[in-house]
Amino acid sequence: QKEVEQDPGPLSVPEGAIVSLNCTYSNSAFQYFMWYRQYSRKGPELLMYTYSSGNKEDGRFTAQVDKSSKYISLFIRDSQPSDSATYLCAMSETGANNLFFGTGTRLTVIP
Amino acid sequence: EAGVTQSPTHLIKTRGQQATLRCSPISGHTSVYWYQQALGLGLQFLLWYDEGEERNRGNFPPRFSGRQFPNYSSELNVNALELEDSALYLCASRLLAGIYNEQFFGPGTRLTVL
Repeated sequence: QKEVEQDPGPLSVPEGAIVSLNCTYSNSAFQYFMWYRQYSRKGPELLMYTYSSGNKEDGRFTAQVDKSSKYISLFIRDSQPSDSATYLCAMSETGANNLFFGTGTRLTVIP
Repeated sequence: EAGVTQSPTHLIKTRGQQATLRCSPISGHTSVYWYQQALGLGLQFLLWYDEGEERNRGNFPPRFSGRQFPNYSSELNVNALELEDSALYLCASRLLAGIYNEQFFGPGTRLTVL
């Protein structure tokens, strides 16, 4: 079993839709949870991070962590064509130096 | 502030050859990570360097190696190239004293092995 599982999609939504992206994980020691966005032919860029459980909101983006279910989510409200990218979840243990990545979900927002 | 830079952007080699990829971290960052992103497999951790030392390596054969220079830039070497080494190779840097493992990525080097 992989440490981090992520549905690769692809996911296509109309502009303005609410998008839900999810990852599950198996290591209960993971404490830091991140979402990266990767545009085509570019390196990943950090979008959001959360520590332990709870929600974090930043503009149209909301990250949720449910440690009891080992499940994290990224919600995108009022999706825009510029949100079209691959979204990768990543996580690590406290004090650890390795990040464990999901395989990424490819999102297309149709105008 | 300049981000992480990588060179070359593209690299085409044939089987059995050697490839050298280069990375310059963000100024002040001492840690450099290398990842392989092959189609459908996500980011696979290759190597981690900090303060000039190799601190950890992922589940890759020894023909993947590298080093970190005194200015914290890094080089990834892949010997005896195989077709399945074709991938995007990403470098990331991190300020090790940071409270969490935020890594900043470069644009990558796309390696094609023919």
